[in-house]
Amino acid sequence: GESVGLHLPTLSVQEGDNSIINCAYSNSASDYFIWYKQESGKGPQFIIDIRSNMDKRQGQRVTVLLNKTVKHLSLQIAATQPGDSAVYFCAENRNNNAGNMLTFGGGTRLMVKP
Amino acid sequence: GAGVSQSPRYKVAKRGQDVALRCDPISGHVSLFWYQQALGQGPEFLTYFQNEAQLDKSGLPSDRFFAERPEGSVSTLKIQRTQQEDSAVYLCASSPAGGGVVREKLFFGSGTQLSVL
Repeated sequence: GESVGLHLPTLSVQEGDNSIINCAYSNSASDYFIWYKQESGKGPQFIIDIRSNMDKRQGQRVTVLLNKTVKHLSLQIAATQPGDSAVYFCAENRNNNAGNMLTFGGGTRLMVKP
Repeated sequence: GAGVSQSPRYKVAKRGQDVALRCDPISGHVSLFWYQQALGQGPEFLTYFQNEAQLDKSGLPSDRFFAERPEGSVSTLKIQRTQQEDSAVYLCASSPAGGGVVREKLFFGSGTQLSVL
């Protein structure tokens, strides 16, 4: 079935390096995408979102890129810090009766080495 | 605090026992969602409320799962006759608006970790 997924389950980076976390989606009806960060024992925390009419959006130290041609989403974290260590989920949203219902991918664990 | 609050934080139940999980959304938030997160997996949608109305319960795994939000604020997720496969973290999330074409981020609670023995 159609789903949101991730290429790499674990990513290990050196502190100060840039991180790139990738996500593939297969539902062409998805028009809104969100990245969430989840630390151990906590709920997902919103990082950044992007709508399907955009291909890039920047936040503070984070950038999300959307390639609709190949249905690919990525999260770039600049100057990765130890506090960035967490599991990162991409999620898609389709405008439906459930409003903001999200479909999450399986997650990528980011480990930052000091 | 101003965030989504869930209780209990941890719940251990014997197989066959009924459990009730509580969610206090951010005050004034219209939309409320329940998600189930198995170990090492992403959250999976269970059900959605807009105020007191349950608009979507398509994600509830069986008729043992029941959710309510009688006054449009606090919500309770009840699981009857718990089974081992019900062991997971149950996350609640809220957002200010009622969905539709308005897209906005969800605010998640820290979840209730349910362990069924």
